[in-house]
Amino acid sequence: NAGVTQTPKFQVLKTGQSMTLQCAQDMNHNSMYWYRQDPGMGLRLIYYSASEGTTDKGEVPNGYNVSRLNKREFSLRLESAAPSQTSVYFCASSEIGGNYEQYFGPGTRLTVT
Amino acid sequence: EDQVTQSPEALRLQEGESSSLNCSYTVSGLRGLFWYRQDPGKGPEFLFTLYSAGEEKEKERLKATLTKKESFLHITAPKPEDSATYLCAVRSGNNAGNMLTFGGGTRLMVKP
Repeated sequence: NAGVTQTPKFQVLKTGQSMTLQCAQDMNHNSMYWYRQDPGMGLRLIYYSASEGTTDKGEVPNGYNVSRLNKREFSLRLESAAPSQTSVYFCASSEIGGNYEQYFGPGTRLTVT
Repeated sequence: EDQVTQSPEALRLQEGESSSLNCSYTVSGLRGLFWYRQDPGKGPEFLFTLYSAGEEKEKERLKATLTKKESFLHITAPKPEDSATYLCAVRSGNNAGNMLTFGGGTRLMVKP
């Protein structure tokens, strides 16, 4: 039982390049989330998927797109990376109902030069 | 708009020196207050959920308490391995997607 996994762990991009961050969970959770974490800003929600087949914008969605591929997988795409997108990205998942706590992956550290 | 403020931003303690971390919140209909621990280079790890004023939860040297405006994370006789960043988050009643709003965290350093 790996929980939430993310790939890659590290990535360096040049301005204007594109990439997709991958996330998978094996806890059979319905909801999945993408956050970014910056010094002094805390964790900010980019996009979330309340259930398979649905996605919604969070607090900071500009410059990103997401795909809920199936119940297990939720990807985050940067179409044209900018230096302002340099950050650590975390994926999380939770069940609907119960305690609603979210479980996080190990993160992807992205640098855009 | 939900808001969460954590204080202090950083806290240095000697091993065995008990203290408390504060999480103040403004939310429309609290549906849960969550505490997480985050070690450097890792994702946040879930610790506790509190739902109503007066509720308390404990885990080893940590005890979380909740009032109508704030939550405290009390650390009793801390050890160096308790060094981490502690994050507080709230879930409000006006969001359908189970979204959490996080505070900026308190970085705790416990010296032997």
